Amino acid sequence: QEQLVQFGSELRKPGASVKVSCKTSGYALSTHGMNWVRQAPGQGLEWMGWINTNTGDPTYAEGFTGRFVFSLDISVNTAYLQISSLQADDTAVYYCARKNLIFDAFDVWGQGTRVTVAS
Amino acid sequence: EIVLTQSPGTLSLSPGDGATLSCRASQSVSYRNLGWYQQKPGRAPRLLIYATSARAPGIPDRFSGSGSGTDFTLTITGLEPEDFAMYYCQVYGISPVTFGQGTRLEIK
Repeated sequence: QEQLVQFGSELRKPGASVKVSCKTSGYALSTHGMNWVRQAPGQGLEWMGWINTNTGDPTYAEGFTGRFVFSLDISVNTAYLQISSLQADDTAVYYCARKNLIFDAFDVWGQGTRVTVAS
Repeated sequence: EIVLTQSPGTLSLSPGDGATLSCRASQSVSYRNLGWYQQKPGRAPRLLIYATSARAPGIPDRFSGSGSGTDFTLTITGLEPEDFAMYYCQVYGISPVTFGQGTRLEIK
């Protein structure tokens, strides 16, 4: 079964960094693009951007440039989201979501990583 | 950017009822680029419908999608207890990808 595996939670202080991982299971990372989606507490879904897993080229949505970096380690089938200079309003659940090959819909989702930024 | 507006914000129904959820786009959307997701509390979203009306694998046939241009609909016939959740429409395959603000389907 094709899955995306994410760790449950991370706690960081303001100003610190976090690297969220998303490992594929049942398929090779390089075969499908990977999206990142943020969901703040009690809020809706917000697209952060995506990374082309063939070329490594990232595309960042408006509002997610500068402090946010998408990366890959193809050898371990893992995509990463790194957030630097964390602020309280970065507190959210971060999901990775696979891009369907034909229609670009988000057909497989990780279970999400909850990032809490608090002093 | 395509803005998606979902209505109603909350829909209160009983098991066995039918539900109609609306998604209106700020500009015309190709049928290929419109999808629907279900999200339960504490869980990741799940793809229900892609390309306006195609059910994702494993999705029961009580879920159906329709629409064109700027107006799209998710219909659920014969609500089951597990269907009470949040529902989001989405435009994908266009940058930026956008989501509607969601419709909460709750038990009456």
